[in-house]
Amino acid sequence: DAKTTQPPSMDCAEGRAANLPCNHSTISGNEYVYWYRQIHSQGPQYIIHGLKNNETNEMASLIITEDRKSSTLILPHATLRDTAVYYCIVRSTGANSKLTFGKGITLSVRP
Amino acid sequence: NAGVMQNPRHLVRRRGQEARLRCSPMKGHSHVYWYRQLPEEGLKFMVYLQKENIIDESGMPKERFSAEFPKEGPSILRIQQVVRGDSAAYFCASSRDNSNQPQHFGDGTRLSIL
Repeated sequence: DAKTTQPPSMDCAEGRAANLPCNHSTISGNEYVYWYRQIHSQGPQYIIHGLKNNETNEMASLIITEDRKSSTLILPHATLRDTAVYYCIVRSTGANSKLTFGKGITLSVRP
Repeated sequence: NAGVMQNPRHLVRRRGQEARLRCSPMKGHSHVYWYRQLPEEGLKFMVYLQKENIIDESGMPKERFSAEFPKEGPSILRIQQVVRGDSAAYFCASSRDNSNQPQHFGDGTRLSIL
């Protein structure tokens, strides 16, 4: 079972920031937080990951709370092409490094 | 740098036939993961392989399914005696190692059973 909970859906206006929340209250000390998205039925696309520090790349920013029990993915300027299902995943390393997908959050970007 | 390549993109089989799905990982990646997405459902882990070794097969059905990742060539997911319930999208992902490096996914194989 997925160790994360996400709201089922949210929407935002094109050009505005999209803030996608995720709860992972049972995360272990050696587990990372990963975000992927899936557009239509394409293969999941890696977005970003982090352990405890905030992270930023060309796609998004990841804000992890100090207690690591929740995080927020930020798309700074959402476009219509960002409409997708976004998955927040807690993942270990080593032999148990599989990804366990939940239901994700469906982000709809409106014009 | 080519991404994860899966073929075929679409595969149609009749009940009882065999299906072979191929996955070529990204260059420099020696870890391969297979996932299945049934219609209207989420992605489910099936198996994790490193060159010539199965590391975790906890998500593989006990019968008819097998996977390999030989020293040379792509990883193969094999489904024997397919049934209607095997119809799904099968995704392969690869990573450089099993540290915190992310897995990168291919575009999947859509398997349809007649």
